[in-house]
Amino acid sequence: GQQLNQSPQSMFIQEGEDVSMNCTSSSIFNTWLWYKQDPGEGPVLLIALYKAGELTSNGRLTAQFGITRKDSFLNISASIPSDVGIYFCAGRQAGRTNFGNEKLTFGTGTRLTIIP
Amino acid sequence: EAEVAQSPRYKITEKSQAVAFWCDPISGHATLYWYRQILGQGPELLVQFQDESVVDDSQLPKDRFSAERLKGVDSTLKIQPAELGDSAMYLCASSPGGLTQETQYFGPGTRLLVL
Repeated sequence: GQQLNQSPQSMFIQEGEDVSMNCTSSSIFNTWLWYKQDPGEGPVLLIALYKAGELTSNGRLTAQFGITRKDSFLNISASIPSDVGIYFCAGRQAGRTNFGNEKLTFGTGTRLTIIP
Repeated sequence: EAEVAQSPRYKITEKSQAVAFWCDPISGHATLYWYRQILGQGPELLVQFQDESVVDDSQLPKDRFSAERLKGVDSTLKIQPAELGDSAMYLCASSPGGLTQETQYFGPGTRLLVL
């Protein structure tokens, strides 16, 4: 199945550094979501974006919905050890069913590692 | 805080055997999803239910996979017979249902290893 392109695939940073990652698609999405997944657990929602150009923050996390509606960005400021994990973007296209809750297409993930 | 429950958390089976996974969504959530996540990749949707009805099963390998949500609450995903390539994490998610800007909440997943 289709997966969105996430970059970078992995990051090795020191505690306190800022982190930036992005997600691109060949299709237009009307919703972008960012999830974090710890080993052996399910993804946990971090930020949801619903409008092109929207910039939303959640603590040290900031995400943006790209103007073209084909990309999104996630930034983490002043990283801490608990930020370690895999970050997934997910996009949702316009509805094709009567229920309005369309399926999510996930990215390939960005693995964040913090070097002591 | 309400959570999506899944069991078992881990399952080891031999190929050609049957396996079943169970999911209990957040109470009141009408929409339920089953995803498969292969190691190193993002989750991919297998099947989506709205109440007890299947909304999307286009990516479900129907020759060996089946899913049901008989009373519109909990759900079971079955694989029969299991193949080596089925080794993956199987995630269940739920959302309230019916609105265009809904968040999907994921369970902890069932990690399947087929030997």
